[in-house]
Amino acid sequence: DGGITQSPKYLFRKEGQNVTLSCEQNLNHDAMYWYRQDPGQGLRLIYYSQIVNDFQKGDIAEGYSVSREKKESFPLTVTSAQKNPTAFYLCATLFRGTVNNYGYTFGSGTRLTVV
Amino acid sequence: AQSVTQLGSHVSVSEGALVLLRCNYSSSVPPYLFWYVQYPNQGLQLLLKYTTGATLVKGINGFEAEFKKSETSFHLTKPSAHMSDAAEYFCAVSFKAAGNKLTFGGGTRVLVKP
Repeated sequence: DGGITQSPKYLFRKEGQNVTLSCEQNLNHDAMYWYRQDPGQGLRLIYYSQIVNDFQKGDIAEGYSVSREKKESFPLTVTSAQKNPTAFYLCATLFRGTVNNYGYTFGSGTRLTVV
Repeated sequence: AQSVTQLGSHVSVSEGALVLLRCNYSSSVPPYLFWYVQYPNQGLQLLLKYTTGATLVKGINGFEAEFKKSETSFHLTKPSAHMSDAAEYFCAVSFKAAGNKLTFGGGTRVLVKP
């Protein structure tokens, strides 16, 4: 079955630590995205990558970093510079076929908590 | 820049009643439009989407939405609510010219009363 795997499902971070959230896909989709979800605020875009070895900042990139060395993988690092990292993080991919065959697939998310 | 507004952060409906969730967007170019549902601690599941063609779109679980360009709206409806419809619903838009970034509304949490 093709899909997106996000790990771990739950992650706890101490103050001042960097942590990395994993996102792996076997859908062969070119574009990948990271979103942050906070209660009552919907989802906000952190970073996105349209092809391997290229990525762009989204709306709330400060305190985060990404890499895209392989098509299948788009890990997100939450650095100590991110002052309020407690949130639910979702990874997504985009299939860009014909206009009628265009859509996003989401992973099941990682819940990050600062302790 | 595009934006999405969902009217009402919480909606309460009785089982069997109509579900209506409102979504308006702002854009100078035709968007692709999506509705997603999210259950607690899970990812997003696509309910339906509009990219081109017929403006009345039917999705899963009995939901449908109509794209009205003149009103810049994409409201979601279901004729008869079921207890399993209790969840959070998100409207989203994307544009090919904007890196295919998906922009979300704030979400509407639906409570279904027996």
